[in-house]
Amino acid sequence: DGGITQSPKYLFRKEGQNVTLSCEQNLNHDAMYWYRQDPGQGLRLIYYSQIVNDFQKGDIAEGYSVSREKKESFPLTVTSAQKNPTAFYLCASSGQGDYGYTFGSGTRLTVV
Amino acid sequence: GDSVTQMEGPVTLSEEAFLTINCTYTATGYPSLFWYVQYPGEGLQLLLKATKADDKGSNKGFEATYRKETTSFHLEKGSVQVSDSAVYFCALFSGGYNKLIFGAGTRLAVHP
Repeated sequence: DGGITQSPKYLFRKEGQNVTLSCEQNLNHDAMYWYRQDPGQGLRLIYYSQIVNDFQKGDIAEGYSVSREKKESFPLTVTSAQKNPTAFYLCASSGQGDYGYTFGSGTRLTVV
Repeated sequence: GDSVTQMEGPVTLSEEAFLTINCTYTATGYPSLFWYVQYPGEGLQLLLKATKADDKGSNKGFEATYRKETTSFHLEKGSVQVSDSAVYFCALFSGGYNKLIFGAGTRLAVHP
């Protein structure tokens, strides 16, 4: 079955360490997105990519970095510059002409 | 710019009660409209969508009608169940920004 996979589901890191969250899709979707969600809050867009080798900053890109070397993969790195990285991170993808998004099940990052 | 406004939660109902979650939007043109649902600890799932005025999206007993004259897409269900407890997000596809614009989400709690 086609879908979008985020791993790991739970991630713990020490303060000051960079950490990379994985997002893989086998839906042949062109566009991919990263969102951050804090407890009881809505979604905030971090980065998005509409084609391979191209990506744009969203509303809260500071302290994060991404790459899009393959259509299937859009990893997110949370750097030590991100002041408050503990959150729930959601990846999504969408295809051409299909304006709805398919979401992964999320990664809960806790920085201690 | 394009935006989505949802009623604030939490919405607390007894089982079998009627549900309405209000959603209004501001957009140029006639965007596609969506409702997503997020169960605790999970990603978002597409619940229903409508792509043009007067369309009615429906799924799992939930319905929403695209009302161009009132720029609204209210979510309704005739008889809620405890299993409907979740956060519901209204969204529109913004042609200008070429991505989904989400509302803040509305938490629904259904009690037996």
